[in-house]
Amino acid sequence: DAGVIQSPRHEVTEMGQEVTLRCKPISGHDYLFWYRQTMMRGLELLIYFNNNVPIDDSGMPEDRFSAKMPNASFSTLKIQPSEPRDSAVYFCASSFFSGFEQIAFFGQGTRLTVV
Amino acid sequence: AQSVTQPDIHITVSEGASLELRCNYSYGATPYLFWYVQSPGQGLQLLLKYFSGDTLVQGIKGFEAEFKRSQSSFNLRKPSVHWSDAAEYFCAVGAWAAGNKLTFGGGTRVLVKP
Repeated sequence: DAGVIQSPRHEVTEMGQEVTLRCKPISGHDYLFWYRQTMMRGLELLIYFNNNVPIDDSGMPEDRFSAKMPNASFSTLKIQPSEPRDSAVYFCASSFFSGFEQIAFFGQGTRLTVV
Repeated sequence: AQSVTQPDIHITVSEGASLELRCNYSYGATPYLFWYVQSPGQGLQLLLKYFSGDTLVQGIKGFEAEFKRSQSSFNLRKPSVHWSDAAEYFCAVGAWAAGNKLTFGGGTRVLVKP
């Protein structure tokens, strides 16, 4: 398996524009997580899905952020409108319960810069 | 609520020397603990994990960690550091009932001197 795939790897956009980040989880994984990494706040969970259903979005900072998982192999994180303080690295991760252990595998991240 | 503290923001170590990174956690039940490593511009790679059993766990790249319930700690060690170990290291506690959603510590950046 190719692992968790995120696109794009880098995104530069102007303030006010809509930004869409994409994630393809590992096949067979039933949990998907979106994390954000910033210098000020470190790594923080934004939202997670189980079997394509959003379970906890309490980490989503504002209504400008939304996430969807239309099927088991694809998820998006959208920011509309974007602001400079949204600049961060956004990670997607997926996990699967093997019967004994449950490990989260991370994508390479999307570095978002809002100017 | 669960939390993770990594007291050292930066550590500088000479190549060949030993390394220990500290991690303290707060969690209301049996913790599931992890160490991840992040190289510059890269994602997070799992080094090792503790779910149960032997409190000394071995991981990849020659790393090991010891779970000490009495001290709420899960410190990471490596006997002899290589230049390629320069990276940022994150300790995390997982919520088993939530697909193992992770709460991360602030990270420790390791610099390796020749």
